[in-house]
Amino acid sequence: SAVISQKPSRDICQRGTSLTIQCQVDSQVTMMFWYRQQPGQSLTLIATANQGSEATYESGFVIDKFPISRPNLTFSTLTVSNMSPEDSSIYLCSAEPGETQYFGPGTRLLVL
Amino acid sequence: DAKTTQPTSMDCAEGRAANLPCNHSTISGNEYVYWYRQIHSQGPQYIIHGLKNNETNEMASLIITEDRKSSTLILPHATLRDTAVYYCIVRASGTYKYIFGTGTRLKVLA
Repeated sequence: SAVISQKPSRDICQRGTSLTIQCQVDSQVTMMFWYRQQPGQSLTLIATANQGSEATYESGFVIDKFPISRPNLTFSTLTVSNMSPEDSSIYLCSAEPGETQYFGPGTRLLVL
Repeated sequence: DAKTTQPTSMDCAEGRAANLPCNHSTISGNEYVYWYRQIHSQGPQYIIHGLKNNETNEMASLIITEDRKSSTLILPHATLRDTAVYYCIVRASGTYKYIFGTGTRLKVLA
């Protein structure tokens, strides 16, 4: 298994600004993932972040809006850029140490 | 689109078994069935997964039909803390992508 922490746990931001979310895993993992959960909705995969390569984005998500870093095998960041109220969501990271993904607690973002 | 269908909501009396069904009629031979739950907008919590045999762990049992087109997650003695949204996901071995459906909102009643 894996224990995953995220910072910040929640934030309130002004439109037009950017927020960087950090994700820390307690063990080395090759694959990390970022998801978005809009209010009342299910989870949607934003991108896959493998160490040593550029992130792979899902349809509807672009690097300019959601740049991702993966500097080592235990850490990743997701930036939500030029935010608008539509970006208000829970952002979750996950990691897959074996054949199962484990999720962080999420970052609750409210954009005013 | 999600490859699974689940009832939108279910109620269960505290102390009774909660049986949550999932239909995955298009499942392929190399696809596993995974179950997660999400309590009050926390991060999803892994429960159990299986390929074709029934599985049991400290949290739940997973019963997969012989044709693998459906499965049931069983919480043997539901408590109020089991109130959550339960997601059934199918994923092929060697792939990484989870496609979350809408899940089943389980409410355990006192």
